[in-house]
Amino acid sequence: GENVEQHPSTLSVQEGDSAVIKCTYSDSASNYFPWYKQELGKGPQLIIDIRSNVGEKKDQRIAVTLNKTAKHFSLHITETQPEDSAVYFCAAMFQGGKLIFGQGTELSVKP
Amino acid sequence: DVKVTQSSRYLVKRTGEKVFLECVQDMDHENMFWYRQDPGLGLRLIYFSYDVKMKEKGDIPEGYSVSREKKERFSLILESASTNQTSMYLCASSSGMGNTGELFFGEGSRLTVL
Repeated sequence: GENVEQHPSTLSVQEGDSAVIKCTYSDSASNYFPWYKQELGKGPQLIIDIRSNVGEKKDQRIAVTLNKTAKHFSLHITETQPEDSAVYFCAAMFQGGKLIFGQGTELSVKP
Repeated sequence: DVKVTQSSRYLVKRTGEKVFLECVQDMDHENMFWYRQDPGLGLRLIYFSYDVKMKEKGDIPEGYSVSREKKERFSLILESASTNQTSMYLCASSSGMGNTGELFFGEGSRLTVL
């Protein structure tokens, strides 16, 4: 079935360290993988996305990698800052344009 | 800036009541969505709409219905609220054919059913 698994569910890092969140998806035909950040009291907001024709994409301190063979993709945040503390969701696009989200990761960056 | 506005941030309703959650977007987006957010379950799609008067069931439509009479407005209806519908409800919109682009979310409506 259509499924996205996200790990870990919670992640605590020291300011300045790196954080990595991993997701796997079930459909090898999926070709679009966005990441959303949800700050407290707000709706999720797109921070980066990747399509299946590339293996990696970077935007300043954040990067996403995609391994289509293994059907997994990861979010990497370097030099973490307290304002990176939020809930992060990965997602994958399935057939018919259905976007399925992972379970979410609560990232806490300790000063 | 794209804005998706959900009319109520917090609602408390009683079991059996009819509940309306309203969502309005101001960017002329074709596509609108209702998600439910629960801890450990992520965001689950309830209903979506790619055009006015069009609606499609998502993954968890049971107990819900929707209405899209105007392009900018997408309403979620709980015909008879139950306690297991206590949750955070998120509305989103996107542009383009189908769902191929960025989703813009509202701030959410937290519903408690007693």
